Formats: sequence, structure tokens, C-alpha cells
Amino acid sequence: DTGVSQDPRHKITKRGQNVTFRCDPISEHNRLYWYRQTLGQGPEFLTYFQNEAQLEKSRLLSDRFSAERPKGSFSTLEIQRTEQGDSAMYLCASRPPGGSYNEQFFGPGTRLTVL
Amino acid sequence: GQQLNQSPQSMFIQEGEDVSMNCTSSSIFNTWLWYKQDPGEGPVLLIALYKAGELTSNGRLTAQFGITRKDSFLNISASIPSDVGIYFCAGNAGNNRKLIWGLGTSLAVNP
Repeated sequence: DTGVSQDPRHKITKRGQNVTFRCDPISEHNRLYWYRQTLGQGPEFLTYFQNEAQLEKSRLLSDRFSAERPKGSFSTLEIQRTEQGDSAMYLCASRPPGGSYNEQFFGPGTRLTVL
Repeated sequence: GQQLNQSPQSMFIQEGEDVSMNCTSSSIFNTWLWYKQDPGEGPVLLIALYKAGELTSNGRLTAQFGITRKDSFLNISASIPSDVGIYFCAGNAGNNRKLIWGLGTSLAVNP
């Protein structure tokens, strides 16, 4: 399977703990996006990478959130000192190079539950 | 954040019926995308539209990019039970960095 993969698929944690999620994009896709989705809503943009550079961050991405893509391939999203409001589905998407090709391909998501 | 107006919010139809849903925006988009999302999964891309007036089909699905560039619709013909899910529209206004999303249309199909 050469689609976007995310790990873990589910994470249950206690409030105050740190969690880290991983995303492996489709190979040769140089653009990578993180979204958060809560029940009944569409995905909300969190951050965007082009290769290893983080080019945009949403105001939704508080100081407790950090994302990296050190080698321009896989990416990690870390949430420190988790809060119950962080419970959501965290989605990763990738997109191939090229300015006119705007299709984003999503992974299966990581469902986070903060108790 | 900014969202698109997507309607209807939900639909319950009989197997074999046709379905239509649409999205509108207050601003011009240069890309419209339609996704389907099953419970516990990520959205799956169905159709991508890049030109005003463009009409594109993918099997029983047909989508159009509105002439005003502020709307798009998705039609599903002869619905089947596996069409059940949430359909999202998403648009890109040209900054190449993020998609703006509708709130989804939840489709239920009665066999």
C-alpha cells in the first residue's frame, strides 16, 4: 500500500501527558499537511510543510503543539500537556509537487482521546 | 476558521435513488474537491475540479465547478448501500497551503 500512513491509529492518554503522532506521506510528495477534526466538523488546518520547511501554522496550533519534518519525508506531531479539548481525530495529508495540482491525499488518521 | 456552506446537512434515501448536494462560498475558489469519509477513517478523494464550468465524472459520481467559481455540486446516481458516509466539499483559493472545508453531508441509504 503506497498511501499515506499514520501511527498510531488510536491513542488514549491521561490529561497532562505528552503524545506524539507520526505520518508517512506518499513517496515523492513533498507537501505535507496536518489537520484536526472533531465530530460533526470538517478537517481544520493545523500546519503545512514543503519538504522539511514548516511554511504555515494555524492559530489553532498552540504552544503545546509542535510539528516536525526533519528530512522532508515523515512528519511528527507532538502535543505536550494534553487537555481534554485536544481529543479529536488528527489527520495527515500529502500532495505532490507542482503549483496547479491541489489534490491532497489523506491518511486514516489518529484518534486521540484525552481522559 | 472559514468554512463553506454545504447542504443538505444530511440525507436519508432509498437504494437506487439519485442524490445531489452542493457547496457555496463567499469568495472565489480555483479548486473544488469532493471527499467521502467513512467512520474512523480519513477522507478519500472522489473528484477534483480546476476550471469554472468543468463537469467531471467518476463512475456514478458527477461534480461540477460553478461558473461563478463560488459553488460546486456533487451528484450520485443510482445510490447503493456502500455510498453511505459523509461527503465533504473542500476548496482552495490559490494560496496552495490549505483547503477550506464544508461541514459535510451525511448520507444514509436504505436497502
